Amino acid sequence: NAGVMQNPRHLVRRRGQEARLRCSPVKGHSHVYWYRQLPEEGLKFMVYLQKENIIDESGMPKERFSAEFPKEGPSILRIQQVVRGDSAAYFCASSPIVSWVDATDTQYFGPGTRLTVL
Amino acid sequence: RKEVEQDPGPFNVPEGATVAFNCTYSNSASQSFFWYRQDCRKEPKLLMSVYSSGNEDGRFTAQLNRASQYISLLIRDSKLSDSATYLCVVKVSNSGYALNFGKGTSLLVTP
Repeated sequence: NAGVMQNPRHLVRRRGQEARLRCSPVKGHSHVYWYRQLPEEGLKFMVYLQKENIIDESGMPKERFSAEFPKEGPSILRIQQVVRGDSAAYFCASSPIVSWVDATDTQYFGPGTRLTVL
Repeated sequence: RKEVEQDPGPFNVPEGATVAFNCTYSNSASQSFFWYRQDCRKEPKLLMSVYSSGNEDGRFTAQLNRASQYISLLIRDSKLSDSATYLCVVKVSNSGYALNFGKGTSLLVTP
């Protein structure tokens, strides 16, 4: 079974360019989460999506960042007009369910995309 | 105040040693607790969930104290392969989705 796939693994952009990060969840998982890990920092939640729906984007910067999870294809995290402060590792995770009863769903992480902004 | 706090370390221990990591969380509504492991520049991987009664998985024992909002991880008979960063992770059910990560505690096991 393939785990969470992310590509590219490394992405270099110049300031002002756009970055597109892709995430394919574990087969059968319909819940996708994006996290960002700045250098020397812990992972921070950005956004939670289900197919064709953004459920919670409370951790996403209000400007320049957007995410989608279309009916077909991978989830995309898009960063417009990148700045040096966007340089980080971006991890995608997926889970099969979200249990409100016992909240024991497990999130499986992909290998991450390391974005470097020059 | 950070939601999840950990001693960053590093903890340098010899092979075979026992080492303990601690973690505190600020949100009393937190419902689920985990320890993840992250190797250098790689993705976090679930090590174990933490239950109120405490739980053990081989050389690893996790404890939860809800009254003190405190979580611990004990590693017995350390192996070189245990060298990694250990992430304390908390989930608040009423917010549903997001995992709140500590910055991690670095462990280096030496020969």
